[in-house]
Amino acid sequence: GENVEQHPSTLSVQEGDSAVIKCTYSDSASNYFPWYKQELGKGPQLIIDIRSNVGEKKDQRIAVTLNKTAKHFSLHITETQPEDSAVYFCAASWLGGGADGLTFGKGTHLIIQP
Amino acid sequence: NAGVTQTPKFRILKIGQSMTLQCTQDMNHNYMYWYRQDPGMGLKLIYYSVGAGITDKGEVPNGYNVSRSTTEDFPLRLELAAPSQTSVYFCASSYSEGHTGELFFGEGSRLTVL
Repeated sequence: GENVEQHPSTLSVQEGDSAVIKCTYSDSASNYFPWYKQELGKGPQLIIDIRSNVGEKKDQRIAVTLNKTAKHFSLHITETQPEDSAVYFCAASWLGGGADGLTFGKGTHLIIQP
Repeated sequence: NAGVTQTPKFRILKIGQSMTLQCTQDMNHNYMYWYRQDPGMGLKLIYYSVGAGITDKGEVPNGYNVSRSTTEDFPLRLELAAPSQTSVYFCASSYSEGHTGELFFGEGSRLTVL
């Protein structure tokens, strides 16, 4: 089955700086890569996703890049703000894999220092 | 529009007791899921359902049971609680299969087994 590795487990950055979270996956058939943000005491919420037919996707201050050859994808947050403090999860799945086909990474705790 | 609602938010059980975590969604989603989240371990799929009357095991189903009698409700039952079931449980739903569509999560149920 799919295995998703996520790094780092904790990331502390100064407010206004950029943050990068990296994930690798093992199954070359995976073609859908979402990112979820979990605020304290809440459930995860989708913030951005990318499919394998594109290499990069942006939405305001967040962007995701995908390198299918190397089997890794990354979340980039620019101009970080206090409200970006949360746990971020990457995930991977492949079309046709079934409703149980989404595999999550272990999460990154992002801390924005004032 | 409440989204995905889970009850209770917190519960303490004694070893061997039984309980049911309730989950209901008002988005008319066919797909529903139960995940557990342990510190530093990400999200693990327990059970999922692709529609009323249909359920299937995920990655970690032992010690749990589910039912799906209606589109809206997807309760998770613990029959004989064990300390290893101490965790935060999240119910989620999606319009399409989780590997291609956004998962909408509830706020979680924190269960402690002593």
